[in-house]
Amino acid sequence: ELVLTQSPGTLSLSPGERATLSCRASQSISSSYLAWYQQKPGQAPRLLLYGASTRATGVPDRFSGSVSGTDFTLTISRLEPEDFAVYYCQRYHKSLTWTFGQGTKVEIK
Amino acid sequence: QVQLVQSGAEVKKPGASVKVSCKASGYTFTTYDINWVRQAPGQGLEWMGWMNPNSGDTGYAQKFQGRVTMTRDTSINTAYMELTSLRSEDTAVYYCAGSRGELDPWGQGTLVTVSS
Repeated sequence: ELVLTQSPGTLSLSPGERATLSCRASQSISSSYLAWYQQKPGQAPRLLLYGASTRATGVPDRFSGSVSGTDFTLTISRLEPEDFAVYYCQRYHKSLTWTFGQGTKVEIK
Repeated sequence: QVQLVQSGAEVKKPGASVKVSCKASGYTFTTYDINWVRQAPGQGLEWMGWMNPNSGDTGYAQKFQGRVTMTRDTSINTAYMELTSLRSEDTAVYYCAGSRGELDPWGQGTLVTVSS
């Protein structure tokens, strides 16, 4: 069974700083099926990236994604006040089920 | 505007069932699969299953096999998720989401509270 482990659990940063969030897969997965979501309190999740690095419609270019082996990274180049939220990675595959990581909270330092 | 609108909050007793609806607008209903995801208070996201609105085919997470049923009514562009034998641990916000793989768009969520 695939497990996605996100780190750190909480990231304390100031506006303008760079955020680097990690999502490690317990087995090899295709980058084509890795997505990142942002969730703010009281709101539904919002798709940020799919295919590991393709931004969804309307997502600012300060959000980027990369992959190295089984390690996937979401980078926010310069944090804006509205970026403080919880971020989830997810593997999606219709034949294999969908799996979420446990989330990383980005909070204001 | 592509949109999924869910039914309102529910309060159920242990052992009861709940059926949550998800109405699609702004696109052809059969274009996207519908997935269901839940989130217990203060917890992360948990995937429950998917349904193809065109064929009615479904796939459920093993954890929910036997307790969850996902259906649709194409005449009113609406998907449904029914969860039976409710227990307190099922208290959560339940989301529907359109999917061609990644999940987008999402419904606004439906709070289901299970309490005696």
